[in-house]
Amino acid sequence: DAKTTQPPSMDCAEGRAANLPCNHSTISGNEYVYWYRQIHSQGPQYIIHGLKNNETNEMASLIITEDRKSSTLILPHATLRDTAVYYCIVRDAGGTSYGKLTFGQGTILTVHP
Amino acid sequence: EADIYQTPRYLVIGTGKKITLECSQTMGHDKMYWYQQDPGMELHLIHYSYGVNSTEKGDLSSESTVSRIRTEHFPLTLESARPSHTSQYLCASTLTGYEQYFGPGTRLTVT
Repeated sequence: DAKTTQPPSMDCAEGRAANLPCNHSTISGNEYVYWYRQIHSQGPQYIIHGLKNNETNEMASLIITEDRKSSTLILPHATLRDTAVYYCIVRDAGGTSYGKLTFGQGTILTVHP
Repeated sequence: EADIYQTPRYLVIGTGKKITLECSQTMGHDKMYWYQQDPGMELHLIHYSYGVNSTEKGDLSSESTVSRIRTEHFPLTLESARPSHTSQYLCASTLTGYEQYFGPGTRLTVT
């Protein structure tokens, strides 16, 4: 599985966009990029996933570079409740690793007033 | 909101006791997972199941065991609890593999 690199922490002002980067330079062609977040030791929450096209849902946008070696999760208008640990995970969606997620250290995002 | 439940939410128990952590989901998901997380540390997959009568060990070795007799139920058992088992245990399920729904977790303390 491709390894991901994320900054350990980031700050963002409330109401501003939060842009969380993730490097995955060894990603292979059939591996997806997933984003989850974990608020204060609650169960992680799925945010979004993508293969090569940019994706948007009600929570966030996912921008994947053309070479797929990095991606950015964008929270367009961060609120205090978005303070959490954000995990970028790269994983093959099928085969023997089907659905198995490997969580790293993630990025601690702190949204301040 | 995902319909996945874990009980108990908190458990303090003495060394040597047998414990079972319950996990149930009402979404009809085939795939279920158990993760373990120490405070401030990474989540680690300890068990998973792709359906009834299917169970596999995860990436992190664990002394716990699991069973999957019914689709909706995926309990985790520790035959003899030890202080080293003190941790948070998180259960998850998915239909597609992409979007996993996590329960609220069980915080286990073994004294």
